[in-house]
Amino acid sequence: DAGVTQSPTHLIKTRGQQVTLRCSPISGHKSVSWYQQVLGQGPQFIFQYYEKEERGRGNFPDRFSARQFPNYSSELNVNALLLGDSALYLCASSLSTGEGYTFGSGTRLTVV
Amino acid sequence: ELKVEQNPLFLSMQEGKNYTIYCNYSTTSDRLYWYRQDPGKSLESLFVLLSNGAVKQEGRLMASLDTKARLSTLHITAAVHDLSATYFCAVSWATSYGKLTFGQGTILTVHP
Repeated sequence: DAGVTQSPTHLIKTRGQQVTLRCSPISGHKSVSWYQQVLGQGPQFIFQYYEKEERGRGNFPDRFSARQFPNYSSELNVNALLLGDSALYLCASSLSTGEGYTFGSGTRLTVV
Repeated sequence: ELKVEQNPLFLSMQEGKNYTIYCNYSTTSDRLYWYRQDPGKSLESLFVLLSNGAVKQEGRLMASLDTKARLSTLHITAAVHDLSATYFCAVSWATSYGKLTFGQGTILTVHP
């Protein structure tokens, strides 16, 4: 069975640009969460979606947005990129909102 | 503010020795998770602890949970080099399922 898949694996963007990251959850999982992990730190919660609705939002600016599609895949969008947005972006899926979470391999975003 | 604190942050061990990583959290939690992360890689789920007194073991790793003390421990028995990685604990709360709050991580290095 395929795990949580994220694309692209690596990305380099220029300050001010916009980026879209994609996540496909494990088949049957209806919940997707997004996390930002800056080098040397633990992951920080950005968003959670369940059944296509936003169920939680972390302390991130409005430049960050996300959505979940009918097939439960998800996109994370970041506008007006800053150097500080450089990080590993992780997607996690679960059966529901309170189950164990399986993480994808992440997207490494570098903003120059 | 919800806080999760791990200690130590850095742990250098000799092969064959035992040690414990501690995870303290600031308010009542419903679930506690332990993850392993290898350099440049994603998070691998190790344990999910659901109730007070829960103990789980897998190979040389054993995790326990004391909800009254708001403390979880990850005990390493007879360490081997393959256990070298960063270990994170994370907690979730009933009012915010889907949001995991992570500790800072413990970087474990096992030497021959």
